[in-house]
Amino acid sequence: AQSVTQLDSQVPVFEEAPVELRCNYSSSVSVYLFWYVQYPNQGLQLLLKYLSGSTLVKGINGFEAEFNKSQTSFHLRKPSVHISDTAEYFCAVNNAGNMLTFGGGTRLMVKP
Amino acid sequence: ETGVTQSPTHLIKTRGQQVTLRCSSQSGHNTVSWYQQALGQGPQFIFQYYREEENGRGNFPPRFSGLQFPNYSSELNVNALELDDSALYLCASSLDRVEKLFFGSGTQLSVL
Repeated sequence: AQSVTQLDSQVPVFEEAPVELRCNYSSSVSVYLFWYVQYPNQGLQLLLKYLSGSTLVKGINGFEAEFNKSQTSFHLRKPSVHISDTAEYFCAVNNAGNMLTFGGGTRLMVKP
Repeated sequence: ETGVTQSPTHLIKTRGQQVTLRCSSQSGHNTVSWYQQALGQGPQFIFQYYREEENGRGNFPPRFSGLQFPNYSSELNVNALELDDSALYLCASSLDRVEKLFFGSGTQLSVL
């Protein structure tokens, strides 16, 4: 069985500061990895995904993530956050089945 | 951009009742998945339908059932509602592949 752990439930950060949201997964087979963002009262929007190839993945809104197979991690980073980045972020894994397994989410709170 | 629409947006039911949630997939998508997102948690996979057939199911009891219609719209039915069924129910559509999921904004179900 696969699982996803998001190590921080909340991350407060000041505007224009860098941020890293941590994600670790467990799976016995190769996986696809995703980061989604959820704004209040909305569904999930895909930020970026790792399927294969380069371990550094760039997504929308200036976010990027790095796949580290040895550490089974897929941390999300942004060099300079904006107030508008305040949202809930979910890491998810799929191992060639037909479902996504999500982590518990990290609430990013950007303060002015 | 997603093109996935869900109805209703909010719903209040009482324990023991039955509920039907509806989802209209993005045009051309033949696969629909349903997820349950309890307050403060990540989404959990309920089931997926591919070309009108159930194509995978998560750890949910049989009182959670679904349908996919020839036009690829979908329904989620929940019988004998329990208080713990209170959650945001998300529909996601895709064309065959899980790495290209598009989520709707969800239906917020409250069971009193």
